[in-house]
Amino acid sequence: DAKTTQPPSMDCAEGRAANLPCNHSTISGNEYVYWYRQIHSQGPQYIIHGLKNNETNEMASLIITEDRKSSTLILPHATLRDTAVYYCIVIGFTGNQFYFGTGTSLTVIP
Amino acid sequence: GAVVSQHPSWVICKSGTSVKIECRSLDFQATTMFWYRQFPKQSLMLMATSNEGSKATYEQGVEKDKFLINHASLTLSTLTVTSAHPEDSSFYICSAANAPTLQETQYFGPGTRLLVL
Repeated sequence: DAKTTQPPSMDCAEGRAANLPCNHSTISGNEYVYWYRQIHSQGPQYIIHGLKNNETNEMASLIITEDRKSSTLILPHATLRDTAVYYCIVIGFTGNQFYFGTGTSLTVIP
Repeated sequence: GAVVSQHPSWVICKSGTSVKIECRSLDFQATTMFWYRQFPKQSLMLMATSNEGSKATYEQGVEKDKFLINHASLTLSTLTVTSAHPEDSSFYICSAANAPTLQETQYFGPGTRLLVL
């Protein structure tokens, strides 16, 4: 069962930052937060993951609250190609099954 | 790096026939591969976990005799949909990870779209 809740949809203006929230209030100490996105009719693409510290890579930044009960994925300068469904997934240290929730459908508007 | 391929990308078959889908990790060894199914406008649903050289572990509600999984090498897993019926029409996606028990990033294939007539 998915352990995360996300808003079903969001819009973002092209060139602006897209902030996608995720609640994972039942997360335990050894569980990571992963973010993937799925562009229509393709396989999911890995974006970023973290445990408790904020993380940044060439695609995005991940901000995890101090209590770890929620996180935000930030796409700093959204482009039309960022239009996709974004999934937030919580996974334990000793198990690697991914259970996808419903995700957030992000639409980047010109 | 971390590229996963699937073959075929799409397939149409008659009801009652069997269909085999291949999943390959192209540039890393995948000790664990996963199979998912996705119906239109729905999220991915995990079907089974496959470890190289051992039997697959199926999620509750997934028929192991209908969805045969083989993971004979560290770079190849196959999913065979036996006696396919129209309700098996779906988007099948595999993923691969290179650690069997530790938290590890999964890399997904592009998916195989199956249509059963």
